[in-house]
Amino acid sequence: EAQVTQNPRYLITVTGKKLTVTCSQNMNHEYMSWYRQDPGLGLRQIYYSMNVEVTDKGDVPEGYKVSRKEKRNFPLILESPSPNQTSLYFCASSLEGQGRDEAFFGQGTRLTVV
Amino acid sequence: LAKTTQPISMDSYEGQEVNITCSHNNIATNDYITWYQQFPSQGPRFIIQGYKTKVTNEVASLFIPADRKSSTLSLPRVSLSDTAVYYCLVVYSSASKIIFGSGTRLSIRP
Repeated sequence: EAQVTQNPRYLITVTGKKLTVTCSQNMNHEYMSWYRQDPGLGLRQIYYSMNVEVTDKGDVPEGYKVSRKEKRNFPLILESPSPNQTSLYFCASSLEGQGRDEAFFGQGTRLTVV
Repeated sequence: LAKTTQPISMDSYEGQEVNITCSHNNIATNDYITWYQQFPSQGPRFIIQGYKTKVTNEVASLFIPADRKSSTLSLPRVSLSDTAVYYCLVVYSSASKIIFGSGTRLSIRP
């Protein structure tokens, strides 16, 4: 089954404790991206990657890092999480990327930073 | 400044046609507009995409007027299962950005 898998689904952590949210896709897509979703703000793009070893900042990259060492994986790293990063996070993948084709989204990761 | 605007909420009844409009500015001739549907505790799911005039698939139609300052998602004969949040996603190639609207919460009543 074609899918985007995020882990974990839920995470509660403390301020400053580094964490990684994993994302994996099995569709051989070139493009992957991360979004955060907050009430009233919709989805905002954090980072995206057009291909292996190529990453670019989205609208809200501050406080986040990503890496793309393999085509199928695109982890999101929070080196020093803060409470304002409490949010619902989605990973997505597509063939072409940046709105040019259908994106497939993961189930989401709900992060709480206390 | 790239901005994508949608109504916050809409209500309708089963069997009716629902039209949700998204306003956007400064998009280029070939910039795509895409609509997604999201249910609680799930990721957004693709509905339809286009960049000019009209596109239709088995679940929806997308209308884009010539001035391209807005687009309308049309859902024919909605059912209770269409209750969800609908997002438009607009490409702003001149700014190298893609921007989601803040979402329209659609409630369908029997």
